[in-house]
Amino acid sequence: QQQVKQSPQSLIVQKGGISIINCAYENTAFDYFPWYQQFPGKGPALLIAIRPDVSEKKEGRFTISFNKSAKQFSLHIMDSQPGDSATYFCAASMYNNDMRFGAGTRLTVKP
Amino acid sequence: DTAVSQTPKYLVTQMGNDKSIKCEQNLGHDTMYWYKQDSKKFLKIMFSYNNKELIINETVPNRFSPKSPDKAHLNLHINSLELGDSAVYFCASSQDPGRHGYTFGSGTRLTVV
Repeated sequence: QQQVKQSPQSLIVQKGGISIINCAYENTAFDYFPWYQQFPGKGPALLIAIRPDVSEKKEGRFTISFNKSAKQFSLHIMDSQPGDSATYFCAASMYNNDMRFGAGTRLTVKP
Repeated sequence: DTAVSQTPKYLVTQMGNDKSIKCEQNLGHDTMYWYKQDSKKFLKIMFSYNNKELIINETVPNRFSPKSPDKAHLNLHINSLELGDSAVYFCASSQDPGRHGYTFGSGTRLTVV
């Protein structure tokens, strides 16, 4: 049972463009929504996270947009760079429970 | 200093063998996890330990058994390895499940031949 649905599965963006990855969740008890970035041969690393009391969080070129009523959240990467090429995972969790991950999006940024 | 360290990084073994993967975290976190990542990159939780107590045991075969000698270590033992066990196994830790992000190790690529 996949509690967090992520799309697209893969994404190709030109350097300087905007990368957008979308996620939807089912369980309204989730209250913590992180994004992880994974490079080949490495473990996933926490990139940015949001709680449902805000609709947007920005850290550098990375922004999370959160729509509580639609139960959706998305990651926007502005001015995408080849170094951003990686697999991105959205996730959701609730207090004292494990984290549920989306299926991942493989991002390729072409020079 | 590596926050979450796993050994070995690569493990190639024959079907039927028994193997172990070790994990140690120096972050002082209370909870540790084992995740399995398949060839399609999907991350599936296997086990979670909080202060040496198992709090999650997803539907994994009982050939897999976690062992936590203390809250800084969570090892994974696998008996009678099968071809389908080939995957990357990640250890992770968290201070407060559901409240803070996880810190992952760099993974152990297990190949069963």
